[in-house]
Amino acid sequence: AQKVTQAQTEISVVEKEDVTLDCVYETRDTTYYLFWYKQPPSGELVFLIRRNSFDEQNEISGRYSWNFQKSTSSFNFTITASQVVDSAVYFCALRRRDDKIIFGKGTRLHILP
Amino acid sequence: DADVTQTPRNRITKTGKRIMLECSQTKGHDRMYWYRQDPGLGLRLIYYSFDVKDINKGEISDGYSVSRQAQAKFSLSLESAIPNQTALYFCATSDRDSRGAFFGQGTRLTVV
Repeated sequence: AQKVTQAQTEISVVEKEDVTLDCVYETRDTTYYLFWYKQPPSGELVFLIRRNSFDEQNEISGRYSWNFQKSTSSFNFTITASQVVDSAVYFCALRRRDDKIIFGKGTRLHILP
Repeated sequence: DADVTQTPRNRITKTGKRIMLECSQTKGHDRMYWYRQDPGLGLRLIYYSFDVKDINKGEISDGYSVSRQAQAKFSLSLESAIPNQTALYFCATSDRDSRGAFFGQGTRLTVV
């Protein structure tokens, strides 16, 4: 089966704490892409990052960082020094070789002031 | 103007009615997708299309149909709406080289 698992349904942290959102995927493809999206309370889906299967370099963008490990089929997302505006639902997604895009069930993140 | 536009944004309809959700894009992408979002279930793929002659079923296509009228337009129809089709529906576009899928703002559909 090809799927994306976000085991954390809901997480609450206090503002300024670091938080990591987990994503584990399964695929038979050797070429694929992984994504993270943010869905704030307003409902739109905001693209955060894309990573292809041949690039295991970690990426940092401001307070956001992503750790891609093919050996464990994981693509985890860390927010450093969290802020209330980070409160949202976050989705991890897998784009297969045939361009079908499948999503995890999402992690709802609450940042408490 | 938004690159991916969904109409309507909100709709309430009665059980048994036919309803069409429309999606148009100005990104020039060939790939288009329809997803539905339900609380706790994430986004589930209903149908996807790689061009006007290529339509594919997703995970949950039963009760839905689609039409790719042009490269820029992809419509989702509920032939006879039922209450468990109440959900938030998203259209998305992509091409082989794009950075992920680009989403419309969603259509909130309520079937009463």
